[in-house]
Amino acid sequence: QTQLHESGPGPVKPSQTLALTCRVSGDFVTNGIYYWSWIRQHPAKGLEWIGYVFFSGITVYNPSLQSRVTISTDTSKNQFSLRMTSVTAADMGIYYCARSLPYGARVGRAPAYDSWGPGTLVTVSS
Amino acid sequence: QSVLTQPPSVSAAPGQKISISCSGGTSNIGTYSVSWYRQFPETAPKLLIHDNDQRPSGIPDRFSASQSGSSASLDISGLQSGDEADYYCATWDSSLSASVFGPGTKVTVL
Repeated sequence: QTQLHESGPGPVKPSQTLALTCRVSGDFVTNGIYYWSWIRQHPAKGLEWIGYVFFSGITVYNPSLQSRVTISTDTSKNQFSLRMTSVTAADMGIYYCARSLPYGARVGRAPAYDSWGPGTLVTVSS
Repeated sequence: QSVLTQPPSVSAAPGQKISISCSGGTSNIGTYSVSWYRQFPETAPKLLIHDNDQRPSGIPDRFSASQSGSSASLDISGLQSGDEADYYCATWDSSLSASVFGPGTKVTVL
């Protein structure tokens, strides 16, 4: 059974860079089938997709966050990471890493997230 | 503001059947498959349905879903107290070039 678990350094100050890591067990970030995503949830609000990375290194980001976000894999540690620059209070929330089933825009198949980490709370405070 | 619309809440008595709607447009549900998630408080969402109507292993057949045109729906039959949770639909939106989620529907078992 695939398990994901997020970790991060704790509170972030405004304008600083947020860095989170997702450790994967029971699967490999190099398996060439799934996409590895970051999704966040603002307090008492809905879910917002941040982006994903594929084993080949291909990344796709939410255009609303693209200028500030980088997602990458570390195959030696079987994990993937999120970096978000210039954070503000609007970036506070629970950040989840998730595995996406294979999808293809050309065939009308949207991503579906079948495994999720428990989430990690990100606070932005000076 | 999500491009997908869900009712804020749905409620019914135990044993009843409920339907949760998810409405969108041609750039999302009208073109791409829909997935559904259940989220209990303080926990991560869990996949209930993918590819419009496919249940992952372990999801009981009380949960079913369909998609037609630019709308989708999730049905829960034999409602149980343990079904009280928030339910989200999701798909891809070609105008936004992003994976999008609905605002969520809170299910209450009376």
